[in-house]
Amino acid sequence: EPEVTQTPSHQVTQMGQEVILRCVPISNHLYFYWYRQILGQKVEFLVSFYNNEISEKSEIFDDQFSVERPDGSNFTLKIRSTKLEDSAMYFCASRERTSQETQYFGPGTRLLVL
Amino acid sequence: QKEVEQNSGPLSVPEGAIASLNCTYSDRVSQSFFWYRQYSGKSPELIMSIYSNGDKEDGRFTAQLNKASQYVSLLIRDSQPSDSATYLCAVNMRSGGSNYKLTFGKGTLLTVNP
Repeated sequence: EPEVTQTPSHQVTQMGQEVILRCVPISNHLYFYWYRQILGQKVEFLVSFYNNEISEKSEIFDDQFSVERPDGSNFTLKIRSTKLEDSAMYFCASRERTSQETQYFGPGTRLLVL
Repeated sequence: QKEVEQNSGPLSVPEGAIASLNCTYSDRVSQSFFWYRQYSGKSPELIMSIYSNGDKEDGRFTAQLNKASQYVSLLIRDSQPSDSATYLCAVNMRSGGSNYKLTFGKGTLLTVNP
């Protein structure tokens, strides 16, 4: 069964450093998402992406964040200058155009900013 | 602010019992509703989706939707220890055009005791 994959599974970085989180969505899916979940808190929407552009972003997704689909398969989330409060699980999700809006989640990247 | 509320629990049931999980949402125009299961440190895994008022059954799981009351529930029959997890209610909120984003509740921690 096709699935969303994410790398790395864990990332430890120093405050102020740049990180890039990578995702490979399900191959026939057209809509891509990033969510994050701070430990003990709920899953929060960050950004949606369709047709090579951002469809919507939350207030969390400020100028330090960017997304890119550099080729036909990868979808990346970049955090330019990490802060302590960026420590969280980051989930990538994707959905088909024609499905009833079901989003399928990748396994997540646990980011720890020291 | 569009919200999804769940009884936070924790909910503890004996093996073989019925577990009942509840969720309310604030956005009246929402049309798609999802229950995800999340094991500790893992990503959300889709359990059920429901779009129409009434009940939808899938194996031991039954989702119930009442749009007039803005209420979604999940029943788990014959609960098993492997069902022990956090159950996330998610509402697909349309934010314009074909843009959708999932808004999650905080989740209900279910423990099934052998």
